[in-house]
Amino acid sequence: GAGVSQSPSNKVTEKGKDVELRCDPISGHTALYWYRQRLGQGLEFLIYFQGNSAPDKSGLPSDRFSAERTGESVSTLTIQRTQQEDSAVYLCASSLSGGNSYNEQFFGPGTRLTVL
Amino acid sequence: GEDVEQSLFLSVREGDSSVINCTYTDSSSTYLYWYKQEPGAGLQLLTYIFSNMDMKQDQRLTVLLNKKDKHLSLRIADTQTGDSAIYFCADPAGDRDDKIIFGKGTRLHILP
Repeated sequence: GAGVSQSPSNKVTEKGKDVELRCDPISGHTALYWYRQRLGQGLEFLIYFQGNSAPDKSGLPSDRFSAERTGESVSTLTIQRTQQEDSAVYLCASSLSGGNSYNEQFFGPGTRLTVL
Repeated sequence: GEDVEQSLFLSVREGDSSVINCTYTDSSSTYLYWYKQEPGAGLQLLTYIFSNMDMKQDQRLTVLLNKKDKHLSLRIADTQTGDSAIYFCADPAGDRDDKIIFGKGTRLHILP
């Protein structure tokens, strides 16, 4: 596709259930990012991948959160034992590369997660 | 750690200039960015400035950078209703520009 896609677009789940969110970056983009945006709040950095490795996992809120990336392409963000405080829009972005160069991030439409 | 601060809300009259301010802590970045999030739409890069520049102008947009004070501003001239959005200041963390720290966003409201 032409842009970053995310699925599902909306997810409603019950407290305590696990959820998996998917991101398909723009083809050829080596860097991939996950952010969380709570209602009316700014962007909260979660994790980023350079290729398939995640050099910085410092933003993951707790050990219930994990992410992986395979084939330098699709990434999944998994939240185990969801809590109501996990309700938010989860945004994925990708970019061509790091290094000392202009590095525009292209964002997907997000997955809106609601934990009942 | 890295931090980016900006005011959360700005209200201006249509036709006036809007000035959105941002302060950042990591000064080793090569570029600094402004992103725009329109209602119901995704985040998109609005403009950026190279860190060795003081000013960048792009049509109605003017970006000012004060590296000494670690202050970045975005000026929108002749603000229109279509400028209603949330504007995010973004500062790469470290000199590799891989990880970008976003501010909480400034919600720009246009008064008729």
